[in-house]
This record gives sequence, C-alpha cells and structure tokens, in this order.
Amino acid sequence: NAGVTQTPKFQVLKTGQSMTLQCAQDMNHNSMYWYRQDPGMGLRLIYYSASEGTTDKGEVPNGYNVSRLNKREFSLRLESAAPSQTSVYFCASSTRGGARDEQFFGPGTRLTVL
Amino acid sequence: QKEVEQNSGPLSVPEGAIASLNCTYSDRVSQSFFWYRQYSGKSPELIMSIYSNGDKEDGRFTAQLNKASQYVSLLIRDSQPSDSATYLCAVRGSNYQLIWGAGTKLIIKP
Repeated sequence: NAGVTQTPKFQVLKTGQSMTLQCAQDMNHNSMYWYRQDPGMGLRLIYYSASEGTTDKGEVPNGYNVSRLNKREFSLRLESAAPSQTSVYFCASSTRGGARDEQFFGPGTRLTVL
Repeated sequence: QKEVEQNSGPLSVPEGAIASLNCTYSDRVSQSFFWYRQYSGKSPELIMSIYSNGDKEDGRFTAQLNKASQYVSLLIRDSQPSDSATYLCAVRGSNYQLIWGAGTKLIIKP
C-alpha cells in the first residue's frame, strides 16, 4: 500500500517549457488535490477533484490545468512554465471531501523554472 | 479573505518540556481543524484533527479548540528531538476546502 505517489521528485524547466506532474493514490479515495507550497506561505490549493469526472479551481489556478484520468490518478499540467511557478507541489487525497475529511499527502515535486 | 495565522517561530523548547503551538482563524463558521507535522524536505503528515470545543488527547499530543475565541492549539508533552519540525494548522472553511497557516517551526533542544 504505497498511499499517494508523485512523479517526478525533482524537475528543472526553462521558461516557456511545458510539463505534467503525475499523482496516483491506492487508498480508494474519491477526492484529490493539488497544492503548491512556497517559503513563508501556507499551502495553497491549485485545483481539486471532488470525485472521478469532476475538477474545480482552487485559490491559485492560473497557469495550470488538471486531468482526473480515473479514480486513482490526477495530473497537473503547466502549459508554459514561468519563474513564478517555481515551488514545491504536493498532491493529496481524501475519502470524500466532507467536513471531517482528512487529507493525505504525496512526497512532493520540487520544480524550478529558470 | 479567510485566514489562518500562526507564529512562524522558531519556537525553542528544552527536551522533556511541553511545547505549545497556537493557531487563530478568521472564518467563524469553520467546522474542522487539523494539525500536520512537516519535516524539512518532506510532505505534511496528519497528527490530529479536532471538531468540538475542548481538548482531544492522543498519546503525547493534545489538541485544544475554542470556537468562541477562534483559536486552536497543539500541546506536545515530554518533547523529544524527533518532534523538531514545522507544524501546520489547517482549518476547513464553509466551502469545505482547507485553509492553511504558514506553520510554526519547533526546535527541541537536547
């Protein structure tokens, strides 16, 4: 039982390049999330998927797109990377997104955009 | 704008003492409150959740919630060097999404 997995662990991009961050969970969770974490700031929600087939914008969606490929997998795409997108990206999942729902995190992807 | 505030620290506590971490939030209708621990270079790890006013204990950890004053705290008894980490407070708002504090860095000195 691997929990939440993310690939890659590290990535360096040049401005304008594109890439996709992959996330998968094996806990049979319905809800999945993408966050970014910057120094001195709290985690900020980029996009989330309450259930398979649905996606919604979070607090900071600009410059990103997502795909909920199936119940297990939720990917985050940067179409044209910018230095402001240098950050640590975490994927998380939870049972069903209710009031008492607890989120579990993957190991993160450290992205640098030059 | 809904906010969650934490003292960034670092908070330095001697080994064996009680570490007290605090968090305040602005959304009065918040229902659920979570404490996560994050070691340097690692992902957040859930420690405790609390939903009702009062105390909730789990081993060396106690979460305290006061909805009237809009604060939630985490006490760590018998602090160990392995407790040295950044502690994140998260509050579930009315839209069911988590709002995160920036975290308090805790250092346990042997």
